Amino acid sequence: DVQLVESGGGLVQPGGSLRLSCAASGFTFSSYWMTWVRQGPGKGLEWVACIKQDGSQKYYVDSVKGRFTISRDNAKNSLYLQMSSLRAEDTAVYYCARQAYYDGRDDAFDIWGQGTMVTVSS
Amino acid sequence: QSVLTQPPSASGTPGQRVTISCSGSSSNIGSNTVNWYQQLPGTAPKLLIYSNNQRPSGVPDRFSGSKSGTSASLAISGLQSEDEADFYCAAWDDSLDGFVFGTGTKVTVL
Repeated sequence: DVQLVESGGGLVQPGGSLRLSCAASGFTFSSYWMTWVRQGPGKGLEWVACIKQDGSQKYYVDSVKGRFTISRDNAKNSLYLQMSSLRAEDTAVYYCARQAYYDGRDDAFDIWGQGTMVTVSS
Repeated sequence: QSVLTQPPSASGTPGQRVTISCSGSSSNIGSNTVNWYQQLPGTAPKLLIYSNNQRPSGVPDRFSGSKSGTSASLAISGLQSEDEADFYCAAWDDSLDGFVFGTGTKVTVL
């Protein structure tokens, strides 16, 4: 089965750091762009970051630039999101998703993980 | 903040047709394809429509998408109780250099 499983969420103090992981299985991970999307409590979806198959291109939403870093390890079929200088407004469920169909900006997110909750609070 | 605008809610009785609009600009919908996602309560989003009007395998043909200029629409025909969910449009934005989601529409089956 094609599957994405996130891990690494939890409670962290403002200004702290956290690393999220996303384990992929059932497909050739190295062939796809990958993305992180988050959803604050009771809020809508917000795209966070995406990364090209070989990691050579990365894009971020303005609100996390300079604080979050997306990366991947194709040998381990894993996607990561390193989050630092965390703020209360970063509190959300974080989903990883596979991008498909067009290999870039016209992609859709066709496979989603179940999400991992990140809570930033003192 | 979302740059794609959707109505906050839509509703209909079983069997009716419901349409959800998604309004953007020349830097997103006007120049890139639109995708639609359905999020059932307490679950991860699911891809419903890609490339403006294409249905992934397994999505019923009751769901259809269209795009014109800087706006897009999702139509649900033959509304069913299991269609109660939040629906989001999304597209790449050339000015922001990133994907943007719509504000989301909650569909209620009366």
